[in-house]
Amino acid sequence: LAKTTQPISMDSYEGQEVNITCSHNNIATNDYITWYQQFPSQGPRFIIQGYKTKVTNEVASLFIPADRKSSTLSLPRVSLSDTAVYYCLVVGSRAAGNKLTFGGGTRVLVKP
Amino acid sequence: DADVTQTPRNRITKTGKRIMLECSQTKGHDRMYWYRQDPGLGLRLIYYSFDVKDINKGEISDGYSVSRQAQAKFSLSLESAIPNQTALYFCATSDFGREPGGKETQYFGPGTRLLVL
Repeated sequence: LAKTTQPISMDSYEGQEVNITCSHNNIATNDYITWYQQFPSQGPRFIIQGYKTKVTNEVASLFIPADRKSSTLSLPRVSLSDTAVYYCLVVGSRAAGNKLTFGGGTRVLVKP
Repeated sequence: DADVTQTPRNRITKTGKRIMLECSQTKGHDRMYWYRQDPGLGLRLIYYSFDVKDINKGEISDGYSVSRQAQAKFSLSLESAIPNQTALYFCATSDFGREPGGKETQYFGPGTRLLVL
């Protein structure tokens, strides 16, 4: 199972762009990169998932370089309600009998 | 996610008691998971089930047991509760196998807050 490394915490201000980089040096060929968001006392919620290059949805963008050893979650123009913990996961293939492993995540604090 | 429900939402129990946390899902997913989360920490996997007949231990299964009564139901039991099992417990389902190439998204329930005195 590919291990991920991400910063423990980040502070930002309303209206700014927040970029969280995750390292996954041992990512396998068939692995996907997935990000979840968790608010206090709630279960994590899927944000975005990608395999390579760039993926964008209504919530965030995910940038994945060609070597796929890292990825960056980008949250555009954050608001106070984006204060949460963000988890980076590498999801393996069925052949690997994979199960998701959540690390400590990145605590993002958005200030007024 | 309203498709994944957990009962009870809050529970206070005493050391040595046996308790059961229940999880139900209407998403039709085969895979279900139980996690615990301690304050300020990430989620740790207790047990997971890839289908009704396939149940596996996670990283912290000691002191816990599970039952997969049906595709839609996955229960977690604490055989003899102890104070360090005080935590927030989450159930999740997964859509693994429904997307090409091994993509997987987990859907979490609202959590059960357990206090063991």
